[in-house]
Amino acid sequence: QQQVKQSPQSLIVQKGGIPIINCAYENTAFDYFPWYQQFPGKGPALLIAIRPDVSEKKEGRFTISFNKSAKQFSLHIMDSQPGDSATYFCAASTGGGNKLTFGTGTQLKVEL
Amino acid sequence: NAGVTQTPKFRVLKTGQSMTLLCAQDMNHEYMYWYRQDPGMGLRLIHYSVGEGTTAKGEVPDGYNVSRLKKQNFLLGLESAAPSQTSVYFCASSLGTQTTQYFGPGTRLLVL
Repeated sequence: QQQVKQSPQSLIVQKGGIPIINCAYENTAFDYFPWYQQFPGKGPALLIAIRPDVSEKKEGRFTISFNKSAKQFSLHIMDSQPGDSATYFCAASTGGGNKLTFGTGTQLKVEL
Repeated sequence: NAGVTQTPKFRVLKTGQSMTLLCAQDMNHEYMYWYRQDPGMGLRLIHYSVGEGTTAKGEVPDGYNVSRLKKQNFLLGLESAAPSQTSVYFCASSLGTQTTQYFGPGTRLLVL
């Protein structure tokens, strides 16, 4: 059972556009929601994370929006660049939990 | 500071053969994890460890065993490899729960 559903599977945007990647979860005990970025041939790396006590978090060009009532969260990339082309994974874990549950990933391509 | 390293980078096995994947971290992290990554499936947790001498099952533990004899090392074993275990394996480590997981570069395993 997929506890974290991620969409879309792939996304192509033009340079300067704002790609949006969405995730939905079912387990209301989840209280930590990170996003990881993975370049081809590399391991994932933490991009940004949010906890449900805030509705939005920004770090540079990356923003997480969180909707607790809808059990959804999303990643927005402002002024996207070709260097942002990568696979993005959302994830979630419970309080005190040792395990991250990952979404299935979104392959983003930013074209010139 | 090498971070998380994995050995080997690539391996081809025949069905029924055994092998051990080695993960090492030099960040003095308590927690270590083994994931497998398959197309369209995201990252799935195989086993994890919350400290030296401890191990626990993740989401997809069948066919794998692990050991954490030293804090800096986490070994993943395949006793009798099957084609279904063809995947990219990632090791990760973290300081504690709900903290950044640092991933290694991955091991690509092909089972024929």
